[in-house]
Amino acid sequence: AQSVTQPDIHITVSEGASLELRCNYSYGATPYLFWYVQSPGQGLQLLLKYFSGDTLVQGIKGFEAEFKRSQSSFNLRKPSVHWSDAAEYFCAVVSRNAGGTSYGKLTFGQGTILTVHP
Amino acid sequence: EPEVTQTPSHQVTQMGQEVILRCVPISNHLYFYWYRQILGQKVEFLVSFYNNEISEKSEIFDDQFSVERPDGSNFTLKIRSTKLEDSAMYFCASRERLAVAKNIQYFGAGTRLSVL
Repeated sequence: AQSVTQPDIHITVSEGASLELRCNYSYGATPYLFWYVQSPGQGLQLLLKYFSGDTLVQGIKGFEAEFKRSQSSFNLRKPSVHWSDAAEYFCAVVSRNAGGTSYGKLTFGQGTILTVHP
Repeated sequence: EPEVTQTPSHQVTQMGQEVILRCVPISNHLYFYWYRQILGQKVEFLVSFYNNEISEKSEIFDDQFSVERPDGSNFTLKIRSTKLEDSAMYFCASRERLAVAKNIQYFGAGTRLSVL
């Protein structure tokens, strides 16, 4: 069964510092990969996605992520963190069948809580 | 921007009572989902729904759970007889269609269910 691991439960950075949140997945083929963010009292907002093609994907709010097949990783990065980035971040995968279709079930990682110090 | 709406935001119920969590998916979406997140744990898939039937469900989604799309806009999750362990945040999500390019789920803000 597929799984997603986010090794860091809680990360603290200073405002303006760079950020990298780690995500590793276990899946037999290349999955569809996502990063979602959840601010307090809010739903899960999609930051970015990877389906195929260029392994460096750009998302909203200045975030990017790089898919590395050899490492089964999809790490999220931001060059300069803002105080408003404080939230919980979830990596997720969705499986697809041999025909390339999917019923869309998402498997989530544990989440990483980001705290930003001024 | 269109959004998924969930009501209520917080539901408190007594153990053994029935609860219905409501969701209004994005209007042109065809796939609907429920997930839950027990405090401190992962977001877990419960069920997916397409063309008025369940397309996939998890082990969590036992006979106590049911989903329904009673009209053209609402999508509900019913828990027939709540248990303490059903206390969690429940998220509804919807997706436009099956195609790869549209395989993006949009989530509501969630309903926090507290079973006493």
